[in-house]
Amino acid sequence: DGGITQSPKYLFRKEGQNVTLSCEQNLNHDAMYWYRQDPGQGLRLIYYSQIVNDFQKGDIAEGYSVSREKKESFPLTVTSAQKNPTAFYLCASSINGGYNEQFFGPGTRLTVL
Amino acid sequence: GIQVEQSPPDLILQEGANSTLRCNFSDSVNNLQWFHQNPWGQLINLFYIPSGTKQNGRLSATTVATERYSLLYISSSQTTDSGVYFCAVRNTGTASKLTFGTGTRLQVTL
Repeated sequence: DGGITQSPKYLFRKEGQNVTLSCEQNLNHDAMYWYRQDPGQGLRLIYYSQIVNDFQKGDIAEGYSVSREKKESFPLTVTSAQKNPTAFYLCASSINGGYNEQFFGPGTRLTVL
Repeated sequence: GIQVEQSPPDLILQEGANSTLRCNFSDSVNNLQWFHQNPWGQLINLFYIPSGTKQNGRLSATTVATERYSLLYISSSQTTDSGVYFCAVRNTGTASKLTFGTGTRLQVTL
C-alpha cells in the first residue's frame, strides 16, 4: 500500500524534553514537508526538503530540527527551545519540490505536560 | 506573503442541500489544492486545481487564477461531508510551500 505514515499517533512529553516525530513515505517522492496545525487554524510550514541531504526552513522553524538522510524518511525533532510545542503535526510529500500536488500523512498529536 | 481567505467560516446544512465554498488569494499562484480534514485530522486531497474546472462525483471546483479565487461546490450533501475544508496555494516564484486558509467548517445534519 503506497502512502505516508507518521508515528506515533499521540505523543506526550514533559517540558524540557526533546522528542522526535517519524515520517516515512513509499511513494518515491523527492520532496517532503512538515507542517504544524493549531486548533481552529490552517497549517503552517516548519521545514521542507526537496532532495536527500538538503532541507530549508519554513515559516516557523525556530525550536525544530530535521534530517533527510534517506529519500523515504524525514524525521522532525521538537526541541526544548520550542516555546509552545503542543500542536498537531502533519507530514507531506510531493513528486518534487515544484508546484506538484502534496499528499499528507495522518498526523501526530503532541501534548507537552 | 500571500494571503488566503476562505468563506464562510462556518456552514450548517441539511442533508441533501448544495453549498459553495470560496477561497480568495492575494497574489498569483501555480498550485491550488482543496482538502477535506476529517474528524480524526486526516487531510484528504479533493482537488489539485491551479486553474480551470474539475469534477469528482458530487464535488466540483473552479479556479479563476486571473481573478484570484477558487470555488468548491458540494451538491446533495451527506453527513459524511462534515468536517473542515481547506484551500491551500503556492505563490508563483516562491519556495515550495503551501499557504493555507483558515478553513470552512461544515456540518451536515439529518
